[in-house]
Amino acid sequence: AQSVTQPDIHITVSEGASLELRCNYSYGATPYLFWYVQSPGQGLQLLLKYFSGDTLVQGIKGFEAEFKRSQSSFNLRKPSVHWSDAAEYFCAVGHINDYKLSFGAGTTVTVRA
Amino acid sequence: DGGITQSPKYLFRKEGQNVTLSCEQNLNHDAMYWYRQDPGQGLRLIYYSQIVNDFQKGDIAEGYSVSREKKESFPLTVTSAQKNPTAFYLCASRDRGLMNTEAFFGQGTRLTVV
Repeated sequence: AQSVTQPDIHITVSEGASLELRCNYSYGATPYLFWYVQSPGQGLQLLLKYFSGDTLVQGIKGFEAEFKRSQSSFNLRKPSVHWSDAAEYFCAVGHINDYKLSFGAGTTVTVRA
Repeated sequence: DGGITQSPKYLFRKEGQNVTLSCEQNLNHDAMYWYRQDPGQGLRLIYYSQIVNDFQKGDIAEGYSVSREKKESFPLTVTSAQKNPTAFYLCASRDRGLMNTEAFFGQGTRLTVV
């Protein structure tokens, strides 16, 4: 079965420090990969997506992600975190044979001053 | 202004009652989704629909039902058979033309069963 794993439930980072959120997927082929961000009590906003081509993908708000086929990973990074980046982050896998879209359990990011 | 509208934002129901959550989109998307969100469990797929008059069970469909009679609408009914219905419910839609397109989300409905 296809699945998405986000190993880190909660990460605390200082403002201005770098951030990396991990995502691993289990899928028979190269899936479509997405990162979303959610503010408390709100819907989800797309940060970036990957489906082919350059394995380093740039997104909004200064985020980037790197697809590594050998590690089945799609980790999200930001060089310098701002207090407004405090939120919950979800990695998602889009299946290539139908329109099913599966999400990981999420990582909550806390930013300290 | 295109988007996805979920209503109501907050919903309270007594235990044993069925309740229907509304989801409407004007993005002309064929695919629509319902997810349930619980703390620490991420988004779990309840049902999804790729086209009008067709839908598939997701990972946690038991106790829920859906219909897709119109392209714009994908209501979710939480039945009395759902053992723990209190949760945050998110609806999403996606362009069916390209499978690599992202899903767009509504603002969610928080259902509390008392």
